[in-house]
Amino acid sequence: EPEVTQTPSHQVTQMGQEVILRCVPISNHLYFYWYRQILGQKVEFLVSFYNNEISEKSEIFDDQFSVERPDGSNFTLKIRSTKLEDSAMYFCASARTVGNYEQYFGPGTRLTVT
Amino acid sequence: QKEVEQNSGPLSVPEGAIASLNCTYSDRGSQSFFWYRQYSGKSPELIMFIYSNGDKEDGRFTAQLNKASQYVSLLIRDSQPSDSATYLCAVIGGNNRLAFGKGNQVVVIP
Repeated sequence: EPEVTQTPSHQVTQMGQEVILRCVPISNHLYFYWYRQILGQKVEFLVSFYNNEISEKSEIFDDQFSVERPDGSNFTLKIRSTKLEDSAMYFCASARTVGNYEQYFGPGTRLTVT
Repeated sequence: QKEVEQNSGPLSVPEGAIASLNCTYSDRGSQSFFWYRQYSGKSPELIMFIYSNGDKEDGRFTAQLNKASQYVSLLIRDSQPSDSATYLCAVIGGNNRLAFGKGNQVVVIP
């Protein structure tokens, strides 16, 4: 069964450093998302991406964040200058079409900012 | 006002019993409703989705939706120890983003 994959599974970085989290969505899916979950808290939407552009972003997704689909398979989330409060699990998700809303999540990247 | 609320505390059920989870949402225009299961340290796993009022059954899971009351529930029949997890209610409103509740922890006691 096709699944969303994410790398790395765990990333440790120092405050102020840039990180890139990578995702490979399910191959016939057209909509891509990033969510995050701070330890003990609920899953929060960051951004959605369709047709090579951001379709929606949350208040969390400020100028420090960016997303890119550099090729036909990868979908990346970049945090330019990490803060301690960026420490969280970051989940990538994908959905087949906008009319088919089921979003499937990858295993996540645990980001630890020290 | 919170978008999606799951107010119950941890739910302990004996093996073989029915676990019942509830969720309310604030956006009356919401169209799509989901239940995800999340094991500790893992990602959300989609187990049910429902778009129309009424019941939807899939194996041991039944989702129930009442749009007039802005209420969605999940029943787990014949609960198994492997069902022990946190169950997340999620809703899509007028946009394409999932709004999640905080989740309900279910513990199935053998």
